[in-house]
Amino acid sequence: NAGVTQTPKFQVLKTGQSMTLQCAQDMNHEYMSWYRQDPGMGLRLIHYSVGAGITDQGEVPNGYNVSRSTTEDFPLRLLSAAPSQTSVYFCASSYSGAPEAFFGQGTRLTVV
Amino acid sequence: AQKVTQAQTEISVVEKEDVTLDCVYETRDTTYYLFWYKQPPSGELVFLIRRNSFDEQNEISGRYSWNFQKSTSSFNFTITASQVVDSAVYFCARYTPNTGNQFYFGTGTSLTVIP
Repeated sequence: NAGVTQTPKFQVLKTGQSMTLQCAQDMNHEYMSWYRQDPGMGLRLIHYSVGAGITDQGEVPNGYNVSRSTTEDFPLRLLSAAPSQTSVYFCASSYSGAPEAFFGQGTRLTVV
Repeated sequence: AQKVTQAQTEISVVEKEDVTLDCVYETRDTTYYLFWYKQPPSGELVFLIRRNSFDEQNEISGRYSWNFQKSTSSFNFTITASQVVDSAVYFCARYTPNTGNQFYFGTGTSLTVIP
């Protein structure tokens, strides 16, 4: 039982490049979400999904796209990376209405 | 916005001292949960505790204790007899189910325990 798996763990991008951060969970959770962590800002919600085919924006969605084609996977896409997107990204999953969530190990992204 | 405030940005204590990390939250919800997470230098988020809004009983787990007071919207965390391994960033978060199961995190308190 792997829980929430994020790949890659580290990534360096050049400004303007695109990439996808992967997030997979094997707990059959309906809810999945992406957060970014910046110094002095805590974790902030980027996008979330309440089930396959359903996504919605969080607090800081600009510059990111998501889709949810399966229950297990919730990739986060950066179409044209910017230095302001340098951050640590966390994926989380949970059951609908559950009082807990499981976090992945994080992806440290640097955009130069 | 329904904020979570951790006013202490950085705290340093000498080993074996007690330390309290403060957390104040805002909410309009009647049902919510409060969490504390530890983030060690390795970067992962380590779950410490969860309390629901209907249970104000304080909790103790080893050297850790939590004081939840709805009257002051606070959920403070105390480490007794601190150890070097307690050095980490600690996050308080509020969580409301059934609204996307969203967490609202505080900005974190960086704790350094000096040997």
